[in-house]
Amino acid sequence: AQTVTQSQPEMSVQEAETVTLSCTYDTSESDYYLFWYKQPPSRQMILVIRQEAYKQQNATENRFSVNFQKAAKSFSLKISDSQLGDAAMYFCAYRSQTGGGADGLTFGKGTHLIIQP
Amino acid sequence: DAGVIQSPRHEVTEMGQEVTLRCKPISGHDYLFWYRQTMMRGLELLIYFNNNVPIDDSGMPEDRFSAKMPNASFSTLKIQPSEPRDSAVYFCASSPTRMAEQFFGPGTRLTVL
Repeated sequence: AQTVTQSQPEMSVQEAETVTLSCTYDTSESDYYLFWYKQPPSRQMILVIRQEAYKQQNATENRFSVNFQKAAKSFSLKISDSQLGDAAMYFCAYRSQTGGGADGLTFGKGTHLIIQP
Repeated sequence: DAGVIQSPRHEVTEMGQEVTLRCKPISGHDYLFWYRQTMMRGLELLIYFNNNVPIDDSGMPEDRFSAKMPNASFSTLKIQPSEPRDSAVYFCASSPTRMAEQFFGPGTRLTVL
């Protein structure tokens, strides 16, 4: 079974600064997807960014980018120019690409991101 | 589109009572997922459906939990009898295809006293 580990329960960053959230995962598969979800206090789960494992290029979405290291099984999220609205829980998630009844997401325990004004 | 709709948003019940959580997926989405979020265990997959058929229910914690999807527009997650340790936020999510993004509903916060 796959596991996802987020080693930082909480991170704090000054507004307008850059912060990096860490995620590692364990899998024996070669094809899979990785995701970062944001959960603000409203508890709504919002997809921030996704990465296909077969793509070498790191995904970017505006101020959000990832550093995907497949061999190291590492998938970190970088948030540039942090804004107050970025304050939330961030979850790293894994999904198999092989199917066969393995289409659900496996989540890490989350990182609570605090933005200092 | 209204997004994934869940009801109720909050549910408070007493131990031993039956609880039914409801989900309406986004129209046209073939996949529906139920997740549970607790402080201790985080977010975990309970069960998911493809074209109304349950595919993987290995995450359902006990026989007290059951889920159904009678049609493409509606799914229920039932707990009978409920216990205090079932207190959690239950999310429903849907996606149009197996490889597509999963869209989450707002969740149901369940409290069992």
